[in-house]
Amino acid sequence: EVQLVESGGGLVQPGGSLRLSCAASGFTFSSYEMNWVRQAPGKGLEWVSYISGSGRTIYYADSVKGRFTISRDNAKNSLYLQMNSLGAEDTAVYYCARDDYGSGSYDYWGQGTLVTVS
Amino acid sequence: AIQMTQSPPSLSASVGDRVTITCRASQGIRNDLGWFQQKPGKAPKLLIYAASSLQSGVPSRFSGTGSGTDFTLTISSLQPEDFATYYCLQDYNYPRTFGQGTKVEIK
Repeated sequence: EVQLVESGGGLVQPGGSLRLSCAASGFTFSSYEMNWVRQAPGKGLEWVSYISGSGRTIYYADSVKGRFTISRDNAKNSLYLQMNSLGAEDTAVYYCARDDYGSGSYDYWGQGTLVTVS
Repeated sequence: AIQMTQSPPSLSASVGDRVTITCRASQGIRNDLGWFQQKPGKAPKLLIYAASSLQSGVPSRFSGTGSGTDFTLTISSLQPEDFATYYCLQDYNYPRTFGQGTKVEIK
């Protein structure tokens, strides 16, 4: 069974840093592209970042470029999001999502981890 | 970035109703569009990919059509468990962009 479990969220002061993790199981992690998607309280979904299976190709939303860094450790079946210079606008639930090459869309999501900047 | 304009923002409907939600892309995206359902406090769930392909396990009352710039999600007969918020997502290029969402409420 495919599982994605995020961790690392919490309360952080403006200007602070946080590192999110996403532990993957039930599939060959290194074969899949991965993403982070966030949702501010009461708002819609916002794509944040993408990383290829090898980790060589990375994209970011303009809103986080230069502040957030996506990475992965295929040996540990884990995805990460290092978040620096956090502001109130970064307060959100952060989801990791698997990018299915068959469908071209996000077929599995984690339960989300809440980041509060205050 | 491609803008995805979703409408309506919300709608009220009754069990058994036919419901249609639309998404318009600011430029052509072929059929590179997915539809997601999200219930309160839960992660989104993929319903439709490639504009019209039904994700495994999703009831056949959900269907998607469209290509280029105009897309539609249809629920043929609304069920109690379908009351949720629905989002489209273009997977044509980066940055990926979601529609603003459509909240389907009980009339």
